[in-house]
Amino acid sequence: DTAVSQTPKYLVTQMGNDKSIKCEQNLGHDTMYWYKQDSKKFLKIMFSYNNKELIINETVPNRFSPKSPDKAHLNLHINSLELGDSAVYFCASSQDVREGPEAFFGQGTRLTVV
Amino acid sequence: QKEVEQDPGPLSVPEGAIVSLNCTYSNSAFQYFMWYRQYSRKGPELLMYTYSSGNKEDGRFTAQVDKSSKYISLFIRDSQPSDSATYLCAICWGGNNRKLIWGLGTSLAVNP
Repeated sequence: DTAVSQTPKYLVTQMGNDKSIKCEQNLGHDTMYWYKQDSKKFLKIMFSYNNKELIINETVPNRFSPKSPDKAHLNLHINSLELGDSAVYFCASSQDVREGPEAFFGQGTRLTVV
Repeated sequence: QKEVEQDPGPLSVPEGAIVSLNCTYSNSAFQYFMWYRQYSRKGPELLMYTYSSGNKEDGRFTAQVDKSSKYISLFIRDSQPSDSATYLCAICWGGNNRKLIWGLGTSLAVNP
């Protein structure tokens, strides 16, 4: 059973297109995250939701819009894709803040914008 | 100054060596100190974490925190080729703020 699963695993698309990445966790966690990992392997948080409520919104272009239909799902929609959006996007989840800081990551979505 | 600094390496060692990986941080208010391992084309996975200061041991892995120096370390004893991966340190404040601040990651290769 996959704890945090993302789809698709690979995504190749042209500049200007709109695309979505989906994430689901079956761990019963309250908090979910989207991270971006660039070509230099630097991992940077983009968004965090706790019980469907946005709690962290880093400086991310408005073209990126997260949506959490329920606490087990957090999707990422990207409008008007640009070359600089090429990266690996990781979804993660963590349990209640009182339980410890561990975040569980999905396998990543490798986005290539051409 | 970045909040977390980590030498990206790469670090190459022979099998059986003791590996020392390190990070420094700038804010003394950080409370959780974590080490994640990331294999190529996989998501990071938590190896271990410490709360506040001190040491923690888990098998061949030992994590140390020196809050006075704002320095955290991960030691790997008897390193194995399967330990070849990128090791990322991450820290956070604790409480309701669960924003992890990440190091760049150190790429480790253990050669048989």
